[in-house]
Amino acid sequence: NAGVTQTPKFRVLKTGQSMTLLCAQDMNHEYMYWYRQDPGMGLRLIHYSVGEGTTAKGEVPDGYNVSRLKKQNFLLGLESAAPSQTSVYFCASSRAPISGQYFGPGTRLTVT
Amino acid sequence: RKEVEQDPGPFNVPEGATVAFNCTYSNSASQSFFWYRQDCRKEPKLLMSVYSSGNEDGRFTAQLNRASQYISLLIRDSKLSDSATYLCVVNTYGQNFVFGPGTRLSVLP
Repeated sequence: NAGVTQTPKFRVLKTGQSMTLLCAQDMNHEYMYWYRQDPGMGLRLIHYSVGEGTTAKGEVPDGYNVSRLKKQNFLLGLESAAPSQTSVYFCASSRAPISGQYFGPGTRLTVT
Repeated sequence: RKEVEQDPGPFNVPEGATVAFNCTYSNSASQSFFWYRQDCRKEPKLLMSVYSSGNEDGRFTAQLNRASQYISLLIRDSKLSDSATYLCVVNTYGQNFVFGPGTRLSVLP
């Protein structure tokens, strides 16, 4: 099992450009999450999904959109990137809310 | 008050030492609790769940005190490979996982 994978691993964008981050999990987990991690801020939840076809906002959803068309995939989109979105983005999945989460290796995004 | 707070650290300890981390949470309805470790520039990895009765996994022992809304992690016989940031995570069913800011541990030779 690959667990949780993320693509790309690194990306540099210019302000105003768009991109999509892909997260895939092969553990048949219902729940998937997108976080960002900034120095001194800890992990903050952007959006999450409790199952295929569902999405919901987390703590910091502005400037991001998500889709969960297939159970194993969770996409995070930035429509018009801003320097404030420079961060490390982690995807995670879990079997249930009372289970622990499993994280992907992260995507390091720089917006100039 | 933040939902999940941890010892600010960093903790610098010699190999073989015992070290304890503390974590407090503000939501009394919280139902599940975890410790993660995160190595520099890597993803968080689940270390252990924390149960009401306390639980142990090798050199690691986790305790939960619901009355005081407090979680702890004890590491015995520290190894160099234990150097990492330790994250306390709390979940309230129907809501989401809330991560503490982490406590950094450096085990020195």
